[in-house]
Amino acid sequence: DGGITQSPKYLFRKEGQNVTLSCEQNLNHDAMYWYRQDPGQGLRLIYYSQIVNDFQKGDIAEGYSVSREKKESFPLTVTSAQKNPTAFYLCASTRAQNTGELFFGEGSRLTVL
Amino acid sequence: GQNIDQPTEMTATEGAIVQINCTYQTSGFNGLFWYQQHAGEAPTFLSYNVLDGLEEKGRFSSFLSRSKGYSYLLLKELQMKDSASYLCAAKSASILTGGGNKLTFGTGTQLKVEL
Repeated sequence: DGGITQSPKYLFRKEGQNVTLSCEQNLNHDAMYWYRQDPGQGLRLIYYSQIVNDFQKGDIAEGYSVSREKKESFPLTVTSAQKNPTAFYLCASTRAQNTGELFFGEGSRLTVL
Repeated sequence: GQNIDQPTEMTATEGAIVQINCTYQTSGFNGLFWYQQHAGEAPTFLSYNVLDGLEEKGRFSSFLSRSKGYSYLLLKELQMKDSASYLCAAKSASILTGGGNKLTFGTGTQLKVEL
């Protein structure tokens, strides 16, 4: 079955450490997205990519970095420059030419100790 | 800029009908989504409206008025499992996004269904 796989599901890190969240999809979708969700807030867009080897900053890109070397993969690195990294991170993908309905992964919960 | 407003919380009774409203101000608007999200889980797609009017899908219906920047999600015959957060999201596209789609989400409406 096709879908989006995020790993790890839970992650703990110490302050000052970088951490990379994995996102893989086998839906043959062109576009991929990273969102962050905090309690009482909506999903906020971090980065998105419409095509391989290209990506754009979203609304809250500071302290994050991404790469899109393969169509199937869109990893997110949370760097030490991100001031409040503790959050629920959601990866999503969509076919570029249709309604744009997002298909989400199960999410990764990052806690900074 | 992008701005989406929806109520923070709502409570309704099992078997009843509830309407969750959403207003939006989005440049380059070209569609409105509703997603359901249970606690600790990923959002799942409920509905999509691009033209004015009502879209019905089983117990759930969604309405859009582009001229008013307004949408609502209507849930009928409420069940306990409908207790969840309901996210309104506006789709936009512009040259700034390379012509691609970008979704801006509201904060979500936490619906509690009671006996």
